[in-house]
Amino acid sequence: EVQLVESGGGLVKPGGSLRLSCAASGFTFSDVWMSWVRQAPGKGLEWVGRIKSKTNGGIAEYAAPVKGRFIISRDDSKNTLYLQMNSLKTEDTALYYCTTDRYKPSDCWGQGTLVTVSS
Amino acid sequence: DIQMTQSPSTLSASVGDRVTITCRASQSVSSWLAWFQQKPGKAPKLLIYKASTLESGVPSRFSGSGSGTEFTLTISSLQPDDFATYYCQQYNSPFTFGPGTKVDFK
Repeated sequence: EVQLVESGGGLVKPGGSLRLSCAASGFTFSDVWMSWVRQAPGKGLEWVGRIKSKTNGGIAEYAAPVKGRFIISRDDSKNTLYLQMNSLKTEDTALYYCTTDRYKPSDCWGQGTLVTVSS
Repeated sequence: DIQMTQSPSTLSASVGDRVTITCRASQSVSSWLAWFQQKPGKAPKLLIYKASTLESGVPSRFSGSGSGTEFTLTISSLQPDDFATYYCQQYNSPFTFGPGTKVDFK
């Protein structure tokens, strides 16, 4: 059974940094492209970015609002996906989900981790 | 970036109704279009991908159609479990979601 467990959320001041993790199990993590999706409180879904598998170059792509501030990476030896968030803004406050992209977008989701950016 | 719109934003319906939600893209996304269902307090669930391919385990009352810039999600006979918010997503990178359509009780 596929399991995705996000962690690392919390309260951070504007301008600060935070690193989220997503521990994956139940599938061959190294073969799978992975995404981050966020949802601000009471709002819709927003795609943050994704990272391809290493065999496909391991390239990360980002949505415009986070490009240059966020970095997606993966450690296939630990079956873990990361989201390094820098220069955080109040509008980055959201529940952050990691998802699998197994030949279709976001076919499995974690439960999410909440990030609050506030002074 | 490609912008997505959905209509209506809210839809009031009854059990047994046929429900149709429309999603439009600001430029062609070919068939790279997915639909998700989200219930309050839960993670979204993939229903349909590649515009019309039903995800495994999703009931056949759900169907998707369209290509290019206009797409529809149809629920042939609304069931109590279907009251939720539905999002379309184009997945020509960078991906974008539509704003959502809430299906509630009439």
